[in-house]
Amino acid sequence: QQPVQSPQAVILREGEDAVINCSSSKALYSVHWYRQKHGEAPVFLMILLKGGEQKGHEKISASFNEKKQQSSLYLTASQLSYSGTYFCGTENNAGNMLTFGGGTRLMVKP
Amino acid sequence: NAGVTQTPKFQVLKTGQSMTLQCAQDMNHNSMYWYRQDPGMGLRLIYYSASEGTTDKGEVPNGYNVSRLNKREFSLRLESAAPSQTSVYFCASSPIGGQGGKLFFGSGTQLSVL
Repeated sequence: QQPVQSPQAVILREGEDAVINCSSSKALYSVHWYRQKHGEAPVFLMILLKGGEQKGHEKISASFNEKKQQSSLYLTASQLSYSGTYFCGTENNAGNMLTFGGGTRLMVKP
Repeated sequence: NAGVTQTPKFQVLKTGQSMTLQCAQDMNHNSMYWYRQDPGMGLRLIYYSASEGTTDKGEVPNGYNVSRLNKREFSLRLESAAPSQTSVYFCASSPIGGQGGKLFFGSGTQLSVL
């Protein structure tokens, strides 16, 4: 079953912050975050394993609450290069399939 | 390093035709995957191969077959193409079969079925 992402789309001005949420109805082993630019392949950002750790990638960080089966991606002081579609992918405890959410389209304007 | 290479990049088929999408990785990864992405949508898993010699169905396997030819290559076959299979197909590989393995994606194959 696909995880649910919210919001579906976000428009920001350069320097503003955003939060993208990902939730699942099933117990999760891990959450992945990827970014896809238009016409390109998805590119890995980070993995969060169960344990609630928070990870960071430049000014992009994420958290994982395994009890709530939710993850959030935080983009701070957004840059034009952050524009794209962000996907979360979730693995259940069987760990043999990565299922992606529907994506969040992020547009950063000057 | 080439990473994950997919061929062809573009293909147009008529309904009922068959074709094979090729994927090869040069990173010595154990696991390989085929996803499809419809316009404005997320990625849906078609088939995956956790290791050489094994294949398993994903979320949307109907109408497709796969072959894990060796550790490097994982092909996707459409036996009788249908307009509903018009999509962008991505192959991916991972050093670890599940349990937190990062995916490396190919550049995609844009397939149109008329």
